[in-house]
Amino acid sequence: GAGVSQSPSNKVTEKGKDVELRCDPISGHTALYWYRQSLGQGLEFLIYFQGNSAPDKSGLPSDRFSAERTGGSVSTLTIQRTQQEDSAVYLCASSERGLAGGDEQFFGPGTRLTVL
Amino acid sequence: AQKVTQAQTEISVVEKEDVTLDCVYETRDTTYYLFWYKQPPSGELVFLIRRNSFDEQNEISGRYSWNFQKSTSSFNFTITASQVVDSAVYFCALSSQGDSWGKLQFGAGTQVVVTP
Repeated sequence: GAGVSQSPSNKVTEKGKDVELRCDPISGHTALYWYRQSLGQGLEFLIYFQGNSAPDKSGLPSDRFSAERTGGSVSTLTIQRTQQEDSAVYLCASSERGLAGGDEQFFGPGTRLTVL
Repeated sequence: AQKVTQAQTEISVVEKEDVTLDCVYETRDTTYYLFWYKQPPSGELVFLIRRNSFDEQNEISGRYSWNFQKSTSSFNFTITASQVVDSAVYFCALSSQGDSWGKLQFGAGTQVVVTP
């Protein structure tokens, strides 16, 4: 079956512009996660959705970052007024249940964001 | 706070040698899960194994085996008879009850290089 998909695969933007990153989770998965991977910081958690609600936003680095999930499926991560330090690979993952713990998270291929 | 430490930055081996990856974790929770993920050069994170905090039985799955010891907070991972296709970055990760279950706390990763 189809895995987690993300778009775009690559995004180059200018400092100060807004960007939207999209994630399509595996069908039927109730939990969705965003992570960021950069050379200096490794793999960092950003936000977690259970259904359409986000019980854990603790990883969002600033108020320029926001995310939403609609219909319990697709999620969009928005970065406003991008800065060069936002350059990273943004990874999305989904899991079947989430809250039960121990769920395997299935990762997408990521979106490589470069802020010039 | 949850923390995962992978002290080995890179391990280089010749094909057919065994490789053991170290992972030490910190958590105050009594209920938690530990994971190993693989990130090949293609970039997509792939789930390998999972262990919950109540089960210290060590297992073998194909060429993979793991050694979970709560007394030393370690969750080491071994690849037996390594192959070139095992070349990747390996991440140890922790998910815990007190941390909303919603996120994986990753270690910094260990680069494994297997040469023919």
